[in-house]
Amino acid sequence: AQSVTQLDSQVPVFEEAPVELRCNYSSSVSVYLFWYVQYPNQGLQLLLKYLSGSTLVESINGFEAEFNKSQTSFHLRKPSVHISDTAEYFCAVSRYNQGGKLIFGQGTELSVKP
Amino acid sequence: DAMVIQNPRYQVTQFGKPVTLSCSQTLNHNVMYWYQQKSSQAPKLLFHYYDKDFNNEADTPDNFQSRRPNTSFCFLDIRSPGLGDAAMYLCATSRDLGQHYEQYFGPGTRLTVT
Repeated sequence: AQSVTQLDSQVPVFEEAPVELRCNYSSSVSVYLFWYVQYPNQGLQLLLKYLSGSTLVESINGFEAEFNKSQTSFHLRKPSVHISDTAEYFCAVSRYNQGGKLIFGQGTELSVKP
Repeated sequence: DAMVIQNPRYQVTQFGKPVTLSCSQTLNHNVMYWYQQKSSQAPKLLFHYYDKDFNNEADTPDNFQSRRPNTSFCFLDIRSPGLGDAAMYLCATSRDLGQHYEQYFGPGTRLTVT
C-alpha cells in the first residue's frame, strides 16, 4: 500500500520569510507526485507536479518542489512568502499503473502573518 | 469560464434521511470523481465515472451511491446518512484517466448530519 505523510499540520510564518512544507511518501512502485493548494472556501487547485525528467519542478507563483527518490520526499519550498499564500497545501501521489488515482496527505495549513 | 460547480455549498440533513449532492461541469471532461474529506483528514476517493462506466473504490461503504445521467452532471447519493458521514464532499473532473490529466476540483459541499 502507498501512503503520504505531511509532517507538519500547521506552519505559521512571517511575510517574506522562506518556507518549506514537507511531504514523504511510501510506495513499492514508481509514483508520480503532486502538490495541490486549497484557498479558503475554494476547491483544490494543482500547484505543481512531477511526472518525469528534472527532479526540480516549479510553479508560476514562485513555489518549487524537488523529488528525492532516495529519501522518498517531495518537499515544497518558497524563498519568500506573501500573505496571499495563506492556504491549505496537500501533497498527493499517483501510482503509474493506477490510472491517475490520487492518494492525498492530510494537508499543511500555511499561515502567513504580516 | 469553464468550471466545476457543486450545489449546494452547505447541506444539513437528519440522521438516516437520504441526501443527494450535485456536481456539474462545463469542461466536457470524460472522468468525474467524488472525494470525501473529513475534518483535518486527507481527501479520500469514493468512486469515479469514466464516461458511463462506474468505478467504486473497494472500501467505499454501500451507503454511498452515484449517478451520472449525462456528461455534465454527477450526483452523490447517501442513502442513510450517519453522524460519521459528516464531511466535505469534493467533486473533480479530468479529461481522461491517467496522471498526465489534471484533476479540476469544485469548491465542495459541506455536509452536516444532525
